[in-house]
Amino acid sequence: DQQVKQNSPSLSVQEGRISILNCDYTNSMFDYFLWYKKYPAEGPTFLISISSIKDKNEDGRFTVFLNKSAKHLSLHIVPSQPGDSAVYFCAASVKGNTGTASKLTFGTGTRLQVTL
Amino acid sequence: EAQVTQNPRYLITVTGKKLTVTCSQNMNHEYMSWYRQDPGLGLRQIYYSMNVEVTDKGDVPEGYKVSRKEKRNFPLILESPSPNQTSLYFCASSLRGLDEQFFGPGTRLTVL
Repeated sequence: DQQVKQNSPSLSVQEGRISILNCDYTNSMFDYFLWYKKYPAEGPTFLISISSIKDKNEDGRFTVFLNKSAKHLSLHIVPSQPGDSAVYFCAASVKGNTGTASKLTFGTGTRLQVTL
Repeated sequence: EAQVTQNPRYLITVTGKKLTVTCSQNMNHEYMSWYRQDPGLGLRQIYYSMNVEVTDKGDVPEGYKVSRKEKRNFPLILESPSPNQTSLYFCASSLRGLDEQFFGPGTRLTVL
């Protein structure tokens, strides 16, 4: 049972345009979401996160949007650059009242290719 | 340099031969975790540790053991590896819980 789903295995975007990567989840207990980027032969690197008390978080060219009612989050990259070509994973966890999460559930990843 | 190191990076072994993949971090992080990455399945959490001597199962713990005797090290032990444990393994650490995790470079394991 895949609780975090990335339904698009791949996405191709022209340099300078917007990249939108989508992620859906089924577990309504998830309250903290993260995006990681992964280049070949390297470990994932943290990109951006969002708590369920927010619906948007921005960091430079990267913005994550959260729609709790639809159980959907998306990552926007504007403008897209060739160096953004990588696999992007969304992940979700339950922090609850402790404010600390221990288990993390990842999606299957979306391969983004930014073309010249 | 702040980093998570894993050894070995590549390993080919045979069914049933016990092996250990080491993981070490130099950031004084409390939280450490092991993941495996398989095609079409993304990353799945195997075990995690909130602090020294505190470990717990992730989503796919069967066939694996871990220990956390020191803060910096979190080895992954396969007592009797089987071909379905052929995978790419990542160790990760973070200051607390699952706030920004730092991942190691990965260990590609093949069990024949």
